[in-house]
Amino acid sequence: QVQLQESGPGLVRPSGTLSLTCDVSGGSISSLNWWTWVRQTPGKGLEWIGEIYHSGSTKYNPSLKSRVAISVDKSKNQFSLKLTSMTAADTGVYYCAKIVHYLDSWGQGTLVTVSS
Amino acid sequence: EIVLTQSPATLSLSPGERATLSCRASQNIHRYLAWYQQKPGQAPRLLIYDASKRATGIPARFSGSGSGTDFTLTISSLESEDFAVYYCQHRSDWPIFGPGTKVDIK
Repeated sequence: QVQLQESGPGLVRPSGTLSLTCDVSGGSISSLNWWTWVRQTPGKGLEWIGEIYHSGSTKYNPSLKSRVAISVDKSKNQFSLKLTSMTAADTGVYYCAKIVHYLDSWGQGTLVTVSS
Repeated sequence: EIVLTQSPATLSLSPGERATLSCRASQNIHRYLAWYQQKPGQAPRLLIYDASKRATGIPARFSGSGSGTDFTLTISSLESEDFAVYYCQHRSDWPIFGPGTKVDIK
């Protein structure tokens, strides 16, 4: 079973940019799956942020689309998330996961706090 | 946009009892529904997909049913490790999640 691990800073300043990376092990990121970011916030519960295929094709949540960029690095078997213009409402736990129609493998999650 | 609602918000039961959780979709989603379990400090874990198929390694006491707009997750006999929050999920244009049902110890 593929394993995923998020990494990145746990504290982001208001108006700053969040940068997270998800390392994939036990399988190739070039397999026939999409790779996704989901967050869990007190205000909105579980919320899909976006996803990427190994070809670089992306899909984003329309409510976040103007602030989100997801990229893939096949040489490192990892994918990344950038979320700009962070506010307190973006505070929460961020997960990376493997997805077909359902999310069958998840990272452990990383807590991101937006605060000055 | 499809909306998922879950009921009840909280279910208080004793070990050994049967748990019945509901997920309702605002439109017909056929059988494209999954259930996840989340324990404190952990990521959600896929339990059921396509309404009734158990994911790898999921015990037989977990079962899913339903189609269209009404779905049910049943835990036949609660064990101590089953007290957690349960979410339903559907993918239309993107994955959407229900608000969750917390199963706690009575």
